[in-house]
Amino acid sequence: DADVTQTPRNRITKTGKRIMLECSQTKGHDRMYWYRQDPGLGLQLIYYSFDVKDINKGEISDGYSVSRQAQAKFSLSLESAIPNQTALYFCATSKGSGALTDTQYFGPGTRLTVL
Amino acid sequence: DQQVKQNSPSLSVQEGRISILNCDYTNSMFDYFLWYKKYPAEGPTFLISISSIKDKNEDGRFTVFLNKSAKHLSLHIVPSQPGDSAVYFCAAKRGGGADGLTFGKGTHLIIQP
Repeated sequence: DADVTQTPRNRITKTGKRIMLECSQTKGHDRMYWYRQDPGLGLQLIYYSFDVKDINKGEISDGYSVSRQAQAKFSLSLESAIPNQTALYFCATSKGSGALTDTQYFGPGTRLTVL
Repeated sequence: DQQVKQNSPSLSVQEGRISILNCDYTNSMFDYFLWYKKYPAEGPTFLISISSIKDKNEDGRFTVFLNKSAKHLSLHIVPSQPGDSAVYFCAAKRGGGADGLTFGKGTHLIIQP
């Protein structure tokens, strides 16, 4: 079984709809992250969470919100989806040791299309 | 402004030869550098990393070199194998926090038989 899972894997929605992407992990890691990847570009950080009580904005948080329901679950919401939010979305986790070598492990991604 | 740059969108290498993927960065606060490999329809997987206090790290067929004065790193794959065909992302991290990774745009490596 995968350590980091994302649901749904693919989603098509319409402009203005609210949508939630979910991430679960069985690695027991404290830190979780949401990234987005646009075609031909690298991954950009949307939000990250040190633990259940600590949520931080990344470089492109506008238009997104997150919820850390438990250590193992981190959800990303688009309150009112717009076409330029069409992208691949990745969740990642890391142990949270605070060490520079704290490696991030990625889920398989969610392909979101906003019409 | 891109802080991590991979200027080659794609690279084609013959099987058995050396693959060299390059990455440049502009932020001198970066302390740690990583390479991730990504296959279609999968998330990136960690490949190899290097701390800014080192100039080389080796793991099997993969070696990463860091030239801090030039703000340049490279990934060498020797010998290249068909399974190495993937997109390779260079990423960088600042010390002291978990504020995520800064990624380059990726290089699509194609290993020709």
